[in-house]
Amino acid sequence: DTEVTQTPKHLVMGMTNKKSLKCEQHMGHRAMYWYKQKAKKPPELMFVYSYEKLSINESVPSRFSPECPNSSLLNLHLHALQPEDSALYLCASSHEEGSYNEQFFGPGTRLTVL
Amino acid sequence: AQSVAQPEDQVNVAEGNPLTVKCTYSVSGNPYLFWYVQYPNRGLQFLLKYITGDNLVKGSYGFEAEFNKSQTSFHLKKPSALVSDSALYFCAVRDGANDYKLSFGAGTTVTVRA
Repeated sequence: DTEVTQTPKHLVMGMTNKKSLKCEQHMGHRAMYWYKQKAKKPPELMFVYSYEKLSINESVPSRFSPECPNSSLLNLHLHALQPEDSALYLCASSHEEGSYNEQFFGPGTRLTVL
Repeated sequence: AQSVAQPEDQVNVAEGNPLTVKCTYSVSGNPYLFWYVQYPNRGLQFLLKYITGDNLVKGSYGFEAEFNKSQTSFHLKKPSALVSDSALYFCAVRDGANDYKLSFGAGTTVTVRA
């Protein structure tokens, strides 16, 4: 299995809702990432998990809460989001968090905040 | 600080003609360079990377890239473009001396006309 899966594909939520995004990989990768991408812009790093521990938080607002239950799963919990948080949320994984390891991306979750 | 520049927002070529997407980088240490492609409503797909060794790197779907240290460039090339190569292309760099995160260029939209 050489892919990263993400669910749901699309999500519409109100500003008071709580929802979660899920990411899964079965490539044995030990680093996993969350990115936010606006249309036709490069991805912006949000969080990095390395060996199931949070390694990097790019000063992301607390309304985004990541979780790594095990080495194959990565969640992003969403609460009290703002309309400007509407974007494509991409999950990625790599063998490890090293410089030369390419990242494999999932198809993304298209999030719309009303 | 590391950075990547993709000087062209758009590249238009006819099918069968050579395709070049330009990328220049700036790092303080040794560069680790990557190319990714993104098709509409999809995640990023890894094409190729340069870590060390041969300056000409071959990747997926017939793409190759040439690392030029003196010009700090890593241009993506394909000898004969296909309509299906139409997509958004991102160059990315990681600084070997500052193993923090992957820095993406702004992206280049490639349109291949039949």
